Amino acid sequence: QQQVRQSPQSLTVWEGETAILNCSYENSAFDYFPWYQQFPGEGPALLIAIRSVSDKKEDGRFTIFFNKREKKLSLHITDSQPGDSATYFCAAMNQGGSAKLIFGEGTKLTVSS
Amino acid sequence: EAAVTQSPRSKVAVTGGKVTLSCHQTNNHDYMYWYRQDTGHGLRLIHYSYVADSTEKGDIPDGYKASRPSQENFSLILELASLSQTAVYFCASSDRGNQDTQYFGPGTRLLVL
Repeated sequence: QQQVRQSPQSLTVWEGETAILNCSYENSAFDYFPWYQQFPGEGPALLIAIRSVSDKKEDGRFTIFFNKREKKLSLHITDSQPGDSATYFCAAMNQGGSAKLIFGEGTKLTVSS
Repeated sequence: EAAVTQSPRSKVAVTGGKVTLSCHQTNNHDYMYWYRQDTGHGLRLIHYSYVADSTEKGDIPDGYKASRPSQENFSLILELASLSQTAVYFCASSDRGNQDTQYFGPGTRLLVL
């Protein structure tokens, strides 16, 4: 049972466009949602994260929008650059529980120039 | 610079053989994790550890054992490797005071023939 789901599986945008990556979850106890970025041949690295008390988190060109009622969140990458081409993983954690992250399946983003 | 290193970086094993994957971290972190990555499944937690000499089962522990002989080292052991265990394996660490953020190693690509 996949507790964290991502869509689309892959996404291609042109340089300068906004990429939108979607994520949904099932467990209402999840209260922390990091996004990890992974380049080919490397391990994932934390990109940006949001806690459930917030509905928006910005960090430069990266913004998370969070809808607690619908159990959905999205990562927006504005002014996409070829260097943003990577796989993005949405993850979730119950901070009051164990130190376990539950990862989604990932979205492979390609930014074409 | 704090880091998580893994060895070997790639390995070819025979079905039924024993495989040991090693992880070493210089982050001075208490928590360590082993994940496997398969296309379409994202990252799935196999075993994790809060402290040396103690390990916990993750979400997919069957067929795997883990060993944490010291704070810095965490091994994943496949006693009888099977074809289905062909995957990329990632080790990660996190700090007890900031368990939200996990730092990943570069991965080990395992091919079981």
